[in-house]
Amino acid sequence: NAGVMQNPRHLVRRRGQEARLRCSPMKGHSHVYWYRQLPEEGLKFMVYLQKENIIDESGMPKERFSAEFPKEGPSILRIQQVVRGDSAAYFCASSPETHHEQYFGPGTRLTVT
Amino acid sequence: AQKITQTQPGMFVQEKEAVTLDCTYDTSDQSYGLFWYKQPSSGEMIFLIYQGSYDEQNATEGRYSLNFQKARKSANLVISASQLGDSAMYFCAMRDHTGGFKTIFGAGTRLFVKA
Repeated sequence: NAGVMQNPRHLVRRRGQEARLRCSPMKGHSHVYWYRQLPEEGLKFMVYLQKENIIDESGMPKERFSAEFPKEGPSILRIQQVVRGDSAAYFCASSPETHHEQYFGPGTRLTVT
Repeated sequence: AQKITQTQPGMFVQEKEAVTLDCTYDTSDQSYGLFWYKQPSSGEMIFLIYQGSYDEQNATEGRYSLNFQKARKSANLVISASQLGDSAMYFCAMRDHTGGFKTIFGAGTRLFVKA
């Protein structure tokens, strides 16, 4: 059973470009969470999704950030018009149920130049 | 408001000795879960151990045990017989009913295991 998969592992974007981060949950998991980790800090919750639904996006910046988890395919975290402050590691996690432990992917390290 | 506090930015331990990483939490809920994750230098987040607020026994997973003191709102991680491969960042985390589905993480403790 493959773990949570994220791609790309490293992404470099110039200011103003768009960044698309992909997450494929573990097989059988229908709950996906996105977190952001700034250097030397803990993870900060961004958004929680189930298939085709955003359940909780209270940690998402109001502008430029969006997330989706379509019926088919991976979950996508999209950042439009990136700025240097968006440089961080973005982790996706999945769980089979809401109150179970979350299993993390390897993360995508976004660098904005 | 939910909060996780890890007061030790860095810890050193001699190989084969035990070490305790501190974690205190704040929540007004009666139902919550506590987690510990390990993040090695390669960057991935590895789930270590889980403790539910209603669990009467302290959780154990191999060399990891969670010293759960509910009245003091502490959930310290104990690593026995430390190994060089235990050198990593360790994050304490919590999820409660009020917080819904988000997991709140502490700032982390960096553990250095000395040979």
